[in-house]
Amino acid sequence: KQEVTQIPAALSVPEGENLVLNCSFTDSAIYNLQWFRQDPGKGLTSLLLIQSSQREQTSGRLNASLDKSSGRSTLYIAASQPGDSATYLCAVRHAGANSKLTFGKGITLSVRP
Amino acid sequence: NAGVTQTPKFQVLKTGQSMTLQCAQDMNHEYMSWYRQDPGMGLRLIHYSVGAGITDQGEVPNGYNVSRSTTEDFPLRLLSAAPSQTSVYFCASSRSQASSYEQYFGPGTRLTVT
Repeated sequence: KQEVTQIPAALSVPEGENLVLNCSFTDSAIYNLQWFRQDPGKGLTSLLLIQSSQREQTSGRLNASLDKSSGRSTLYIAASQPGDSATYLCAVRHAGANSKLTFGKGITLSVRP
Repeated sequence: NAGVTQTPKFQVLKTGQSMTLQCAQDMNHEYMSWYRQDPGMGLRLIHYSVGAGITDQGEVPNGYNVSRSTTEDFPLRLLSAAPSQTSVYFCASSRSQASSYEQYFGPGTRLTVT
């Protein structure tokens, strides 16, 4: 059974810091890995999607990497801002019958002004 | 495009009542799914559909029914609400099941069962 782990559960950093959020998964038979952002009381916004054949994807100040063989992904946020405060979830899409997403429990990020 | 829309945004039910959570997408996506999000549990798959007329169970299907009569709509029915079904429900869609496409989520429905 696929398990996705995100540690730590919460992180607080000062504004301007570059930071890395980690995600690990136990089964490498995935289609892709997706990073989401969730603001309190809101839905999920897709940030980056990395296909199983790719190593990284970039969007603005965000860069996500994928190492399928070791079961790891990182989300790098450059020059963090208070507006980046949110919960960040990673999810892997299985290469199986129902192609479901298995989510980590998320990392709640607080960027202090 | 409106993307994935869900109604209602909030709902309070009494134990034993039934209701339908609505989900619609205007992207002509084949694959649609329902998740519930609970504190400490993350998001879990309830039911999914790979196309009109085809549905199947996810991890936590008990107490929920779905149907997919059109490509656009994928309603989730609670047959007899229980307090354990208090949760936030998200609908998601993707272009296809078989391909490595991004999944898009709706804004969620917050359900409280008393």
